[in-house]
Amino acid sequence: DAGVTQSPTHLIKTRGQQVTLRCSPKSGHDTVSWYQQALGQGPQFIFQYYEEEERQRGNFPDRFSGHQFPNYSSELNVNALLLGDSALYLCASSLQGHNTEAFFGQGTRLTVV
Amino acid sequence: AQTVTQSQPEMSVQEAETVTLSCTYDTSESNYYLFWYKQPPSRQMILVIRQEAYKQQNATENRFSVNFQKAAKSFSLKISDSQLGDTAMYFCAFLTPLGYEKLTFGTGTRLTIIP
Repeated sequence: DAGVTQSPTHLIKTRGQQVTLRCSPKSGHDTVSWYQQALGQGPQFIFQYYEEEERQRGNFPDRFSGHQFPNYSSELNVNALLLGDSALYLCASSLQGHNTEAFFGQGTRLTVV
Repeated sequence: AQTVTQSQPEMSVQEAETVTLSCTYDTSESNYYLFWYKQPPSRQMILVIRQEAYKQQNATENRFSVNFQKAAKSFSLKISDSQLGDTAMYFCAFLTPLGYEKLTFGTGTRLTIIP
């Protein structure tokens, strides 16, 4: 079992550009949650996807959007990148109704210059 | 809204000693879960220990144990016989099983084990 896999591991983007991050959940999991972890901070909840729909959203602007595919994998899209979007983006997968057993990926380190 | 506070940004302890990390939280919910996650330099969040609020008995996992004080809304982590591999960021987190079960994290404590 490969666990939760995220790609890419690192990337650098220019202010104003758009970025797409990807997450493949642990085998058997159907729910994906995304978190943003700024340097020196704890992760902040962005949103959660289940059954290809966004089920809950944290305090993030509409520039942050996502998608879940029929195979439960997910993408996080960020438009019009700002310097403040530089962070580690973590994906967590779980089985719906069992989010006390979430598994995290190793994250994508996004740097906006 | 739930909040989680970790008041110790950094701690260090000699190898084989015991260390306690502090966490307080605020919620109006009666049913919830509390977690300690470890984040080593590899960046992956690893679950260390979990406590269900309705259970009075403190959770233990090998060298890791918690002191859960529900009335005081306190949830500390004790690491016994600390090892070099325990060096990491430690995050306290809260989850309510109602709704969509998002995790709310504290700001973390950087723990360094000194050889």
